[in-house]
Amino acid sequence: GAGVSQTPSNKVTEKGKYVELRCDPISGHTALYWYRQSLGQGPEFLIYFQGTGAADDSGLPNDRFFAVRPEGSVSTLKIQRTERGDSAVYLCASSTKAGVNSPLHFGNGTRLTVT
Amino acid sequence: DAKTTQPPSMDCAEGRAANLPCNHSTISGNEYVYWYRQIHSQGPQYIIHGLKNNETNEMASLIITEDRKSSTLILPHATLRDTAVYYCIVRVVTGGSNYKLTFGKGTLLTVNP
Repeated sequence: GAGVSQTPSNKVTEKGKYVELRCDPISGHTALYWYRQSLGQGPEFLIYFQGTGAADDSGLPNDRFFAVRPEGSVSTLKIQRTERGDSAVYLCASSTKAGVNSPLHFGNGTRLTVT
Repeated sequence: DAKTTQPPSMDCAEGRAANLPCNHSTISGNEYVYWYRQIHSQGPQYIIHGLKNNETNEMASLIITEDRKSSTLILPHATLRDTAVYYCIVRVVTGGSNYKLTFGKGTLLTVNP
């Protein structure tokens, strides 16, 4: 079946611009996660949704970062006033529910480059 | 979540078993051991998880020591396509809302022909 889909796969933007990254989770998955991965590092947690609400946004680095999931399916990660340090691969994952026996299934990420 | 310690890199010959160790000496009784891997330019892929019993699936086996302070992921017949970064993660089991995975740097497994 279809996995987690992330678009675009690559995004190049200029410093100071606004970007939106989209995630389509696996159909029926109620839990959705955003991670960020810098070169040579493991993925770093940003935010987690259970349904439409953000259950844990403790990983968002600052108020330039915001994520929504208005209908409990597709999610958009929004970054305002981008900085060169925001350059990374942004990963999205989903699971059937929020629980230890519900493994996360990851997409292949969006590579964001801020010039 | 408890911290894990993994070797930064390992090599394995194609067709042989790959045994990837992980130390999690501060693991709590309500934490599971999860393994993921990440092939270059792809997202992490779930492999297996367990609490205290050994587990096996079509991809790998997970051996957890009796005191649960360490575990080993076993790929029984490694292929070139198993070359990846392997992450060992402990994940809390609670009725709360925090189910995130906390990744370390993992082990880069290189399978050689």
